[in-house]
Amino acid sequence: ETGVTQSPTHLIKTRGQQVTLRCSSQSGHNTVSWYQQALGQGPQFIFQYYREEENGRGNFPPRFSGLQFPNYSSELNVNALELDDSALYLCASSLGGGADTQYFGPGTRLTVL
Amino acid sequence: GENVEQHPSTLSVQEGDSAVIKCTYSDSASNYFPWYKQELGKGPQLIIDIRSNVGEKKDQRIAVTLNKTAKHFSLHITETQPEDSAVYFCAASFKIRSGYALNFGKGTSLLVTP
Repeated sequence: ETGVTQSPTHLIKTRGQQVTLRCSSQSGHNTVSWYQQALGQGPQFIFQYYREEENGRGNFPPRFSGLQFPNYSSELNVNALELDDSALYLCASSLGGGADTQYFGPGTRLTVL
Repeated sequence: GENVEQHPSTLSVQEGDSAVIKCTYSDSASNYFPWYKQELGKGPQLIIDIRSNVGEKKDQRIAVTLNKTAKHFSLHITETQPEDSAVYFCAASFKIRSGYALNFGKGTSLLVTP
């Protein structure tokens, strides 16, 4: 059974650019949630994808968007990057359909200069 | 989602001692409470969880207690070892359209000294 994987591991961008982060869910899991973890803070919920549709969204602006593919992998896209977007972006997968246990990947460290 | 408060923010114990981390939550609809351990440069790892129909759960040296009336839950680590040193996060579930997301506390940095 493979765990949650994310790519890339690290990324450096400049303000105003756009970025795409990728996540492959754990084998058998059909739901992917994305979280943002600022330095020294707990993860904050961005959104969740279930059956290729957005299933809920936290308090993040529309320039944060996502996709889920038929194989349940997912992308997080951030447009018009701001300095405050610098953070660890975590992907978590779960069984979906009401299941709540989430398993996290290693994260992508994004630095915006 | 609503707030989850976690205390203390840092905790230092001697090897072999116990460590206790406490959390409170505000969403009365929360019914699932996981604890995660995060080591430097890694993603959070689920170590134990508890659901609202249970008051206590134990797994070897780790135990979690839940008081739904008071809306607080705690993590207890006994016989601590240096490898327990990490940042620990509590979380509480909140309902979204066809599932659940998690609200996290700000974390507790645990240091176990030999």
